[in-house]
Amino acid sequence: EPEVTQTPSHQVTQMGQEVILRCVPISNHLYFYWYRQILGQKVEFLVSFYNNEISEKSEIFDDQFSVERPDGSNFTLKIRSTKLEDSAMYFCASSGQTHDQPQHFGDGTRLSIL
Amino acid sequence: GDSVTQMEGPVTLSEEAFLTINCTYTATGYPSLFWYVQYPGEGLQLLLKATKADDKGSNKGFEATYRKETTSFHLEKGSVQVSDSAVYFCALLMDSNYQLIWGAGTKLIIKP
Repeated sequence: EPEVTQTPSHQVTQMGQEVILRCVPISNHLYFYWYRQILGQKVEFLVSFYNNEISEKSEIFDDQFSVERPDGSNFTLKIRSTKLEDSAMYFCASSGQTHDQPQHFGDGTRLSIL
Repeated sequence: GDSVTQMEGPVTLSEEAFLTINCTYTATGYPSLFWYVQYPGEGLQLLLKATKADDKGSNKGFEATYRKETTSFHLEKGSVQVSDSAVYFCALLMDSNYQLIWGAGTKLIIKP
């Protein structure tokens, strides 16, 4: 069964550094998403991406964050100048031909900011 | 705003017991409803879904019925197994936007 893959599984970064989280969505999907889950808290939406542009973003997704689809397969989340509070599990998801189809998730990247 | 409320865990049951995990929602329109499951060390897997009132989603022996009158989507299973131990998340998706709105998750522990 096709799946969403995320790399790395765990990223440790010094505060203030930039980090890029990578995702390969399911190949025929058109909608892409990033979510995060801070330890002990709810899963939170960050951003959705369709047709090479952001379709929706949350208040969390400020100028520190950016997303990109640099080629036909990868979807990346960049966090500039990381803060301690960026430590979380980051999940990538994709969905099919319309945005109301179920979102399929990767296993996540655990980001630890020191 | 739109929100999802789940029963707090952990829920601890013996193998073959009947399971119910409650989920209620608040939404301004007519959302699609989902249950996701997260097994230890793994990502979020779609378990089942329902897109309109009175729909029943089912998968792997789990069921949930979309109840508009009670704004609920409770997850049930008739006979749980140790392998069902995981965290279960209820979530909703509005037609008008792209983001899943999540419950807090309910940890389920099944003892042999």
